[in-house]
Amino acid sequence: ETGVTQTPRHLVMGMTNKKSLKCEQHLGHNAMYWYKQSAKKPLELMFVYSLEERVENNSVPSRFSPECPNSSHLFLHLHTLQPEDSALYLCASSQEPRGNGNTIYFGEGSWLTVV
Amino acid sequence: GENVEQHPSTLSVQEGDSAVIKCTYSDSASNYFPWYKQELGKRPQLIIDIRSNVGEKKDQRIAVTLNKTAKHFSLHITETQPEDSAVYFCAASPPYNFNKFYFGSGTKLNVKP
Repeated sequence: ETGVTQTPRHLVMGMTNKKSLKCEQHLGHNAMYWYKQSAKKPLELMFVYSLEERVENNSVPSRFSPECPNSSHLFLHLHTLQPEDSALYLCASSQEPRGNGNTIYFGEGSWLTVV
Repeated sequence: GENVEQHPSTLSVQEGDSAVIKCTYSDSASNYFPWYKQELGKRPQLIIDIRSNVGEKKDQRIAVTLNKTAKHFSLHITETQPEDSAVYFCAASPPYNFNKFYFGSGTKLNVKP
């Protein structure tokens, strides 16, 4: 299945590094999302983009910076992260407006470890 | 905003038994309730969903029930198999929040052979 692809799958970075996570969707959707998944916690919505415009920023620290250059690509730029930012970062996409059968489709995720 | 609670956090059943996972939600406007299955190291995948105009939906061994009055919905898996072992997430989505999904904290299901 290649609907939503994320790279890299695993990333280890120091607290002073700058890195980026990339997401690409091949489903023709017009909305994309970043979620954070930590152990024993609900999936946390970080950002929502619709038609390349950010429509949601869920009180995420500024050390996370999203970028959506077009409806198929989504980036999450990372800088000066903290160890507690270590988690699985999931990208997802959907078609808006939501009609019958519309739901969100997730990528495989990027495992981030901050050391 | 919407708040979704999911129970139990872990569930262990014998192969062939049934498993039930329950979720409650707070926003009565929520009208879409998907369930996702996440196997170890894999992406969450939609397994079944239900909309607020329906009380029950079934797909082979999986069923979901919705009680709008009580604001809770449940996932039922019958004749469980070892490959059903995974983490299951429920979610609720209100119509005015632009496909914003509020997820439960997940249930780790272990099916013992």
